[in-house]
Amino acid sequence: KAGVTQTPRYLIKTRGQQVTLSCSPISGHRSVSWYQQTPGQGLQFLFEYFSETQRNKGNFPGRFSGRQFSNSRSEMNVSTLELGDSALYLCASSSTSGGPPETQYFGPGTRLLVL
Amino acid sequence: GDSVTQMEGPVTLSEEAFLTINCTYTATGYPSLFWYVQYPGEGLQLLLKATKADDKGSNKGFEATYRKETTSFHLEKGSVQVSDSAVYFCALSGPNTGNQFYFGTGTSLTVIP
Repeated sequence: KAGVTQTPRYLIKTRGQQVTLSCSPISGHRSVSWYQQTPGQGLQFLFEYFSETQRNKGNFPGRFSGRQFSNSRSEMNVSTLELGDSALYLCASSSTSGGPPETQYFGPGTRLLVL
Repeated sequence: GDSVTQMEGPVTLSEEAFLTINCTYTATGYPSLFWYVQYPGEGLQLLLKATKADDKGSNKGFEATYRKETTSFHLEKGSVQVSDSAVYFCALSGPNTGNQFYFGTGTSLTVIP
């Protein structure tokens, strides 16, 4: 099976712009989670989508949003970019259907640099 | 709330040395516990996991035992190699967290020849 893929791998934006990141989960996985990784804050949970519905949400401002499509692919959007949004954004998929926690499989990440 | 506390790094070891990275957790109920590894420039890879008390997860010479009485899940390897140099993350996901994972801060390991 192909792994989790994320596009683009690298992105440079300027303050105030918006950005959309894409994630394709492992085939058959219906849950997609997004994380922000920074040297100072470590790995922080953004949100999780399951069957096109946001099921969990972390403690991030409303500038961070996401969605999931019927084929389980997910996009994450950040509006009005700030310098502090520079980070590695990781997507993870799992096959959970609401039962016991399943292993999350991570993509390689999108590295976003905001200038 | 649920959380993971992980040993601070960085850790530098000589090849063939013994490795321990400490991880303790706080959770309601009985979480599943995981160790992930991140190599430079890559995403996280699952290293091993344990889903109930006294379970031992193992992979590539690494082991960790789910200790409910001490709420710990320490990572060990008997003889590290240069190729083990990476950042290691302890994580939990529990019945009360949905599918949300809580990660430790990561421990950077460098193995020198």
